[in-house]
Amino acid sequence: NAGVTQTPKFQVLKTGQSMTLQCAQDMNHEYMSWYRQDPGMGLRLIHYSVGAGITDQGEVPNGYNVSRSTTEDFPLRLLSAAPSQTSVYFCASSRGTSGVGAETQYFGPGTRLLVL
Amino acid sequence: DAKTTQPNSMESNEEEPVHLPCNHSTISGTDYIHWYRQLPSQGPEYVIHGLTSNVNNRMASLAIAEDRKSSTLILHRATLRDAAVYYCILFAGAYGGSQGNLIFGKGTKLSVKP
Repeated sequence: NAGVTQTPKFQVLKTGQSMTLQCAQDMNHEYMSWYRQDPGMGLRLIHYSVGAGITDQGEVPNGYNVSRSTTEDFPLRLLSAAPSQTSVYFCASSRGTSGVGAETQYFGPGTRLLVL
Repeated sequence: DAKTTQPNSMESNEEEPVHLPCNHSTISGTDYIHWYRQLPSQGPEYVIHGLTSNVNNRMASLAIAEDRKSSTLILHRATLRDAAVYYCILFAGAYGGSQGNLIFGKGTKLSVKP
């Protein structure tokens, strides 16, 4: 298994540009999520999905869109990039068995985004 | 709001044991105690989790206080590769609800000296 993969690894954008960060997992996990991590900070949840066709907002959703058309893929879209979105973005997945606190999450290697 | 309290940083010598503390005085009965770590320039990785009893795996041990208001992650012999930020997280796994997501604090930055 490749686990959780993310592309690209690094991206530079200009203010106002749009782009999509890709995330894929091959573990047939129902639950997927996107986090951002700013320097010296812990991870903050942007959006998450409990299954194909179902998404919800996390702690910091503004400026980001998501969709979940397949179990495997969970892309994150920046509609109009802003310097405040400069960060490292991590995608994660888990089996997503609700109510089971023993679930563990698997994280991708991250995408480093710089918005000028 | 982070529901756990950890020291900002700790230092250890290589090949010595390390005890990383975590306080979680408001833990609920459905919360599992999870530990993740993040090596430099990598995504977080799962270390260990437990509910009430102490747990061991190939990476570490988790000691949970009897009242569950605190726990300690134990690395039995620290190596240079163990230098990372360690996150203690309470997780109930109720996907779709407020308890369904991992909430990361700032964690403890562990430095290992050769």
